[in-house]
Amino acid sequence: GAVVSQHPSRVICKSGTSVKIECRSLDFQATTMFWYRQFPKKSLMLMATSNEGSKATYEQGVEKDKFLINHASLTLSTLTVTSAHPEDSSFYICSARDPGTEAFFGSGTQLSVL
Amino acid sequence: EDKVVQSPLSLVVHEGDTVTLNCSYEVTNFRSLLWYKQEKKAPTFLFMLTSSGIEKKSGRLSSILDKKELFSILNITATQTGDSAIYLCAVDLTSGTYKYIFGTGTRLKVLA
Repeated sequence: GAVVSQHPSRVICKSGTSVKIECRSLDFQATTMFWYRQFPKKSLMLMATSNEGSKATYEQGVEKDKFLINHASLTLSTLTVTSAHPEDSSFYICSARDPGTEAFFGSGTQLSVL
Repeated sequence: EDKVVQSPLSLVVHEGDTVTLNCSYEVTNFRSLLWYKQEKKAPTFLFMLTSSGIEKKSGRLSSILDKKELFSILNITATQTGDSAIYLCAVDLTSGTYKYIFGTGTRLKVLA
Protein backbone atom coordinates (compact mmCIF):
# COMPACT_ATOMS: atom_id res chain seq x y z
CA GLY A 1 0.00 0.00 0.00
CA ALA A 2 0.90 3.65 -0.21
CA VAL A 3 3.39 4.96 2.30
CA VAL A 4 3.25 8.17 4.27
CA SER A 5 6.39 9.22 6.07
CA GLN A 6 6.27 11.50 9.08
CA HIS A 7 9.14 12.88 11.06
CA PRO A 8 10.42 13.42 13.58
CA SER A 9 8.88 10.54 15.48
CA ARG A 10 9.63 12.17 18.79
CA VAL A 11 10.62 15.67 19.78
CA ILE A 12 11.28 17.30 23.12
CA CYS A 13 11.49 21.08 23.23
CA LYS A 14 11.51 23.95 25.65
CA SER A 15 8.46 26.07 26.22
CA GLY A 16 8.34 29.01 23.82
CA THR A 17 10.15 27.35 20.95
CA SER A 18 8.63 26.31 17.63
CA VAL A 19 8.57 22.78 16.29
CA LYS A 20 8.11 21.67 12.69
CA ILE A 21 6.69 18.27 11.77
CA GLU A 22 6.88 16.95 8.21
CA CYS A 23 4.50 14.63 6.42
CA ARG A 24 5.46 13.15 3.06
CA SER A 25 3.59 10.89 0.68
CA LEU A 26 6.29 8.64 -0.75
CA ASP A 27 4.71 6.93 -3.73
CA PHE A 28 1.67 8.96 -4.64
CA GLN A 29 0.66 12.57 -5.04
CA ALA A 30 -1.57 13.76 -2.24
CA THR A 31 -3.63 16.82 -3.06
CA THR A 32 -5.08 16.64 0.43
CA MET A 33 -3.39 15.87 3.72
CA PHE A 34 -4.85 15.91 7.20
CA TRP A 35 -3.37 16.67 10.59
CA TYR A 36 -4.69 15.03 13.72
CA ARG A 37 -4.00 15.25 17.38
CA GLN A 38 -4.42 12.25 19.64
CA PHE A 39 -4.54 12.29 23.41
CA PRO A 40 -3.66 9.16 25.41
CA LYS A 41 -6.24 6.43 25.01
CA LYS A 42 -8.41 8.67 22.85
CA SER A 43 -9.40 8.73 19.19
CA LEU A 44 -7.99 10.96 16.49
CA MET A 45 -9.08 14.59 16.59
CA LEU A 46 -8.89 16.34 13.23
CA MET A 47 -7.07 19.65 13.49
CA ALA A 48 -6.92 20.82 9.91
CA THR A 49 -7.08 19.84 6.26
CA SER A 50 -4.07 20.78 4.19
CA ASN A 51 -4.65 21.49 0.50
CA GLU A 52 -1.78 21.72 -1.94
CA GLY A 53 -1.33 25.26 -3.17
CA SER A 54 -4.00 26.84 -0.98
CA LYS A 55 -4.68 27.73 2.62
CA ALA A 56 -5.40 25.02 5.13
CA THR A 57 -8.88 24.57 6.51
CA TYR A 58 -8.90 24.47 10.29
CA GLU A 59 -11.45 22.74 12.50
CA GLN A 60 -13.40 24.74 14.99
CA GLY A 61 -11.39 25.55 18.08
CA VAL A 62 -7.98 25.04 16.47
CA GLU A 63 -5.84 28.17 16.46
CA LYS A 64 -4.45 28.73 12.97
CA ASP A 65 -1.73 31.06 14.23
CA LYS A 66 -0.63 28.45 16.72
CA PHE A 67 -0.59 25.51 14.32
CA LEU A 68 0.79 26.69 11.00
CA ILE A 69 0.27 24.37 8.07
CA ASN A 70 2.03 24.55 4.74
CA HIS A 71 1.36 22.23 1.81
CA ALA A 72 3.84 23.48 -0.74
CA SER A 73 3.99 20.43 -2.96
CA LEU A 74 1.93 17.37 -3.82
CA THR A 75 4.09 15.22 -1.58
CA LEU A 76 4.85 17.39 1.45
CA SER A 77 2.83 19.06 4.17
CA THR A 78 4.31 20.59 7.31
CA LEU A 79 2.80 21.44 10.68
CA THR A 80 4.58 24.01 12.79
CA VAL A 81 3.63 24.33 16.43
CA THR A 82 4.58 27.89 17.24
CA SER A 83 5.60 29.08 20.70
CA ALA A 84 4.92 25.64 22.11
CA HIS A 85 3.65 25.26 25.65
CA PRO A 86 3.29 22.17 27.84
CA GLU A 87 -0.41 21.90 26.97
CA ASP A 88 0.62 21.38 23.35
CA SER A 89 2.32 18.13 24.33
CA SER A 90 0.54 15.41 22.42
CA PHE A 91 0.76 12.81 19.67
CA TYR A 92 0.38 14.43 16.25
CA ILE A 93 -0.34 12.30 13.21
CA CYS A 94 -0.86 13.08 9.55
CA SER A 95 -2.65 11.28 6.78
CA ALA A 96 -2.70 11.63 3.01
CA ARG A 97 -5.11 10.50 0.36
CA ASP A 98 -6.44 10.95 -3.11
CA PRO A 99 -10.23 11.25 -3.30
CA GLY A 100 -11.91 7.88 -3.60
CA THR A 101 -9.15 5.93 -1.90
CA GLU A 102 -8.54 5.19 1.72
CA ALA A 103 -6.29 7.47 3.71
CA PHE A 104 -2.79 6.37 4.69
CA PHE A 105 -1.30 7.50 7.95
CA GLY A 106 2.12 8.60 9.02
CA SER A 107 3.70 6.99 12.07
CA GLY A 108 3.05 10.04 14.22
CA THR A 109 5.12 12.50 16.22
CA GLN A 110 5.18 12.51 20.01
CA LEU A 111 5.73 16.11 21.10
CA SER A 112 6.81 16.85 24.66
CA VAL A 113 7.10 20.48 25.69
CA LEU A 114 9.03 21.10 28.89
CA GLU B 1 -23.57 17.80 13.26
CA ASP B 2 -21.89 14.74 11.79
CA LYS B 3 -21.22 12.11 14.42
CA VAL B 4 -19.64 8.65 14.65
CA VAL B 5 -19.97 6.62 17.83
CA GLN B 6 -18.24 3.37 18.68
CA SER B 7 -19.04 0.85 21.36
CA PRO B 8 -17.84 -0.48 23.61
CA LEU B 9 -15.15 2.02 24.52
CA SER B 10 -12.97 -0.77 25.85
CA LEU B 11 -13.06 -4.52 26.01
CA VAL B 12 -10.96 -7.21 27.66
CA VAL B 13 -11.20 -10.79 26.39
CA HIS B 14 -9.20 -13.99 26.49
CA GLU B 15 -7.42 -15.57 23.57
CA GLY B 16 -9.80 -17.60 21.45
CA ASP B 17 -12.83 -15.44 22.20
CA THR B 18 -14.87 -13.81 19.45
CA VAL B 19 -15.52 -10.07 19.67
CA THR B 20 -17.91 -7.72 17.92
CA LEU B 21 -17.16 -4.04 17.73
CA ASN B 22 -19.87 -1.57 16.85
CA CYS B 23 -19.89 1.70 14.94
CA SER B 24 -22.96 3.85 14.40
CA TYR B 25 -23.07 7.09 12.48
CA GLU B 26 -25.20 10.12 11.74
CA VAL B 27 -23.81 12.07 8.80
CA THR B 28 -25.31 14.10 6.00
CA ASN B 29 -23.26 12.98 3.00
CA PHE B 30 -22.13 9.40 3.47
CA ARG B 31 -19.63 7.97 1.01
CA SER B 32 -18.07 5.03 2.82
CA LEU B 33 -17.15 3.66 6.23
CA LEU B 34 -13.65 2.53 7.09
CA TRP B 35 -12.09 0.48 9.86
CA TYR B 36 -8.53 0.99 11.04
CA LYS B 37 -6.39 -0.77 13.64
CA GLN B 38 -3.99 1.30 15.71
CA GLU B 39 -1.42 -0.51 17.78
CA LYS B 40 1.27 1.96 18.73
CA LYS B 41 1.67 4.53 16.03
CA ALA B 42 0.11 4.71 12.59
CA PRO B 43 -3.42 3.36 12.12
CA THR B 44 -3.42 0.59 9.55
CA PHE B 45 -6.26 0.13 7.11
CA LEU B 46 -8.57 -2.85 7.56
CA PHE B 47 -11.72 -2.39 5.50
CA MET B 48 -13.64 0.09 3.40
CA LEU B 49 -17.40 -0.48 3.18
CA THR B 50 -19.65 1.30 0.73
CA SER B 51 -22.57 -1.06 0.14
CA SER B 52 -25.05 -2.49 2.62
CA GLY B 53 -25.10 -6.17 3.41
CA ILE B 54 -21.86 -7.17 1.72
CA GLU B 55 -19.45 -8.73 4.16
CA LYS B 56 -15.78 -8.00 3.77
CA LYS B 57 -13.41 -10.58 5.17
CA SER B 58 -9.71 -10.78 5.85
CA GLY B 59 -8.54 -13.79 7.78
CA ARG B 60 -10.17 -13.76 11.20
CA LEU B 61 -11.58 -10.27 10.69
CA SER B 62 -14.82 -9.44 8.95
CA SER B 63 -17.04 -6.41 8.68
CA ILE B 64 -20.43 -5.46 7.34
CA LEU B 65 -22.35 -2.26 6.81
CA ASP B 66 -26.06 -1.51 7.28
CA LYS B 67 -26.88 1.77 5.54
CA LYS B 68 -30.52 1.64 6.56
CA GLU B 69 -29.81 1.39 10.27
CA LEU B 70 -26.60 3.44 9.95
CA PHE B 71 -24.13 1.13 11.58
CA SER B 72 -21.30 -1.26 10.96
CA ILE B 73 -19.78 -4.11 12.94
CA LEU B 74 -16.28 -5.49 12.98
CA ASN B 75 -15.94 -9.12 14.05
CA ILE B 76 -12.77 -10.78 15.18
CA THR B 77 -12.88 -14.53 15.69
CA ALA B 78 -10.39 -16.68 17.61
CA THR B 79 -8.73 -13.57 19.04
CA GLN B 80 -5.00 -13.49 19.65
CA THR B 81 -2.87 -11.23 21.84
CA GLY B 82 -1.68 -9.53 18.65
CA ASP B 83 -5.22 -8.27 18.11
CA SER B 84 -4.83 -5.97 21.12
CA ALA B 85 -5.16 -2.44 19.74
CA ILE B 86 -7.46 0.52 19.35
CA TYR B 87 -9.95 -0.08 16.55
CA LEU B 88 -11.06 3.09 14.83
CA CYS B 89 -14.15 3.55 12.71
CA ALA B 90 -14.27 6.48 10.29
CA VAL B 91 -16.89 7.79 7.90
CA ASP B 92 -15.85 9.33 4.61
CA LEU B 93 -18.11 12.12 3.39
CA THR B 94 -18.94 12.92 -0.20
CA SER B 95 -18.90 16.64 0.21
CA GLY B 96 -16.33 19.18 1.23
CA THR B 97 -12.70 18.37 1.77
CA TYR B 98 -12.79 14.55 1.80
CA LYS B 99 -12.09 14.45 5.50
CA TYR B 100 -12.94 11.53 7.72
CA ILE B 101 -15.12 11.73 10.78
CA PHE B 102 -13.57 9.38 13.32
CA GLY B 103 -15.39 7.54 16.05
CA THR B 104 -14.31 7.39 19.65
CA GLY B 105 -12.39 4.15 19.13
CA THR B 106 -12.63 0.81 20.91
CA ARG B 107 -9.65 -0.30 22.95
CA LEU B 108 -9.37 -4.08 22.78
CA LYS B 109 -7.09 -6.06 25.05
CA VAL B 110 -6.69 -9.78 24.50
CA LEU B 111 -5.24 -11.72 27.41
CA ALA B 112 -3.16 -14.85 26.94
